Amino acid sequence: NFMLTQPHSVSESPGKTITISCTRTSGSIASDYVQWYQQRPGSSPTTVIYEDNQRPSGVPDRFSGSIDSSSNSASLTISGLKTEDEADYYCQSYDSNNPLWVFGGGTKLTVL
Amino acid sequence: QVQLVESGGGVVQPGRSLRLSCAASGFTFSDYTFHWVRQAPGKGLEWLALISFDGTNKYFADSVKGRFTISRDNSNNTLYLQLNTLRTEDTAVYYCARGYSSAWFGYLQYWGQGTLVTVSS
Repeated sequence: NFMLTQPHSVSESPGKTITISCTRTSGSIASDYVQWYQQRPGSSPTTVIYEDNQRPSGVPDRFSGSIDSSSNSASLTISGLKTEDEADYYCQSYDSNNPLWVFGGGTKLTVL
Repeated sequence: QVQLVESGGGVVQPGRSLRLSCAASGFTFSDYTFHWVRQAPGKGLEWLALISFDGTNKYFADSVKGRFTISRDNSNNTLYLQLNTLRTEDTAVYYCARGYSSAWFGYLQYWGQGTLVTVSS
């Protein structure tokens, strides 16, 4: 089975833009969709990106997702950072050949 | 509105068993795939298991295969997770989550609030 590797933490100032990476250790990042979940302290996760780059209704367009086959990674970009974006972010994908789901280790975003 | 409410968590001794429940409302339960995901204290999310819309297909993470069982009762809109031979490392908040469709792939569209399982002697 593959793993999804994320940076442990990132920090940036309000109004700026950050990108969180998610690297797949084996198999192609493009072979199965990647999702991104936001988890604020004390709350359950919510989806901010699904199917690589789709936003659920209600998620602001400041959130965007992409994949890069050359680095075998997915990215979550948040522009115009707000203090309310401070949370843990998890990428998730699956192995279509063996229906198992995988979460990345999570990235703590600090907006200061 | 969609609601998922987990129950059944608590303190249990190592080696014992526990059954978690997830009561669903606000949608047609039998139309969707369901999952269990856990989060150990201060740690990240760990996917545990999924069950197809009709209960015929079940898949498990290697870490719990053979110890945990997932099931559902479509007549009572309830999802279950049977936890057997519990270990201290199973201490976590356990979330049930609904897939976005009847397909096994996709994303977790709705999550419950979680139920805490503490395995300790």
